[in-house]
Amino acid sequence: EPEVTQTPSHQVTQMGQEVILRCVPISNHLYFYWYRQILGQKVEFLVSFYNNEISEKSEIFDDQFSVERPDGSNFTLKIRSTKLEDSAMYFCATTPLSSGAYNEQFFGPGTRLTVL
Amino acid sequence: RKEVEQDPGPFNVPEGATVAFNCTYSNSASQSFFWYRQDCRKEPKLLMSVYSSGNEDGRFTAQLNRASQYISLLIRDSKLSDSATYLCVVRGVVNTDKLIFGTGTRLQVFP
Repeated sequence: EPEVTQTPSHQVTQMGQEVILRCVPISNHLYFYWYRQILGQKVEFLVSFYNNEISEKSEIFDDQFSVERPDGSNFTLKIRSTKLEDSAMYFCATTPLSSGAYNEQFFGPGTRLTVL
Repeated sequence: RKEVEQDPGPFNVPEGATVAFNCTYSNSASQSFFWYRQDCRKEPKLLMSVYSSGNEDGRFTAQLNRASQYISLLIRDSKLSDSATYLCVVRGVVNTDKLIFGTGTRLQVFP
């Protein structure tokens, strides 16, 4: 069964450093999302991406965050200058060609980001 | 009021028991509804979608009450492997794909 993959599984960084989290979506999926989950809290939507554009973003997704699909396969989330409060699990999710109301969003295994 | 509200639990039940989880959502214009399962430090996985007429998948039954903005999940004949956190998830209003998650209800099934 096809899966969403994410790298790295765990990233430790110093405050103020840039990090890039990578996701490889399922091959025929065209809608991509990033969510995050701070330890002990709920999963929160960050951004959705379709046709090489951001289609929606949350208040959390400020100027420190950016997304791109640099090579047609990877989907990346960049945090320019990490803060302590960015420490969380970051999940990539993807959904197939036509995004319908009940289309499942398939989640990757996540990247645990620790900011020191 | 929280967008999606769930009792955090934990629910501790013996194997074979029936357990029910409830969830309420605040936006009456919400489009679609799901139950996801999350194991400790893992990604959310879709358990089942929740349709207006209610639906069943094996031991799992989901119900939706749009008038009361209430969603439920019933698990019959609990197994040890059902131990997990169950996330109530709502997809927003028209023209949005974003999923809004509840904080989850933790279930622990014991032998």
